[in-house]
Amino acid sequence: EADIYQTPRYLVIGTGKKITLECSQTMGHDKMYWYQQDPGMELHLIHYSYGVNSTEKGDLSSESTVSRIRTEHFPLTLESARPSHTSQYLCASSKQGAKNTEAFFGQGTRLTVV
Amino acid sequence: GDSVTQMEGPVTLSEEAFLTINCTYTATGYPSLFWYVQYPGEGLQLLLKATKADDKGSNKGFEATYRKETTSFHLEKGSVQVSDSAVYFCALDSGGSNYKLTFGKGTLLTVNP
Repeated sequence: EADIYQTPRYLVIGTGKKITLECSQTMGHDKMYWYQQDPGMELHLIHYSYGVNSTEKGDLSSESTVSRIRTEHFPLTLESARPSHTSQYLCASSKQGAKNTEAFFGQGTRLTVV
Repeated sequence: GDSVTQMEGPVTLSEEAFLTINCTYTATGYPSLFWYVQYPGEGLQLLLKATKADDKGSNKGFEATYRKETTSFHLEKGSVQVSDSAVYFCALDSGGSNYKLTFGKGTLLTVNP
């Protein structure tokens, strides 16, 4: 069973609010990722990190920001939520290096902005 | 760049039917190939993988063979169950220091009793 956790599982919030989605892993993985999953199921990489103090933009432009102050923690923040941010957000982690290493996913946070 | 094309769904089958979900890829070098499964309300989990040509990955009755000549990694199961209802994602990893998984768009499978 994967040791990667996301909180909250579900969040309904009003427009303009600041929110932080939490992601933590206990596997000591250097690499961590945030994916946005649209209703059509497709996954879009929005942020990733190679390790502490490393953050990179993904393939899909996002108004969210991330930080990586500790290896195990990779929170995602939206400074001012909008209805267009309504989506499922998935966090993942993997070992650095070898190309055949598995990515482990959290259960996701389903965000609804009203 | 790397890309994965998988069969569009949704796919609806009766229990005990044979399943094939097609997946083809474009990548530089010799990627590793994966199938992930996402059950309702959950995150993704690895179903099987293959790391070199002609390798066969298998798990829970599912199989996929890494075919370099056709750049394919089709997922098969001989007899599906209702509990196999989920979204299936094909993915590749070309490796290197900038490793990140490239996913297909996902295929929704529904198995009816």
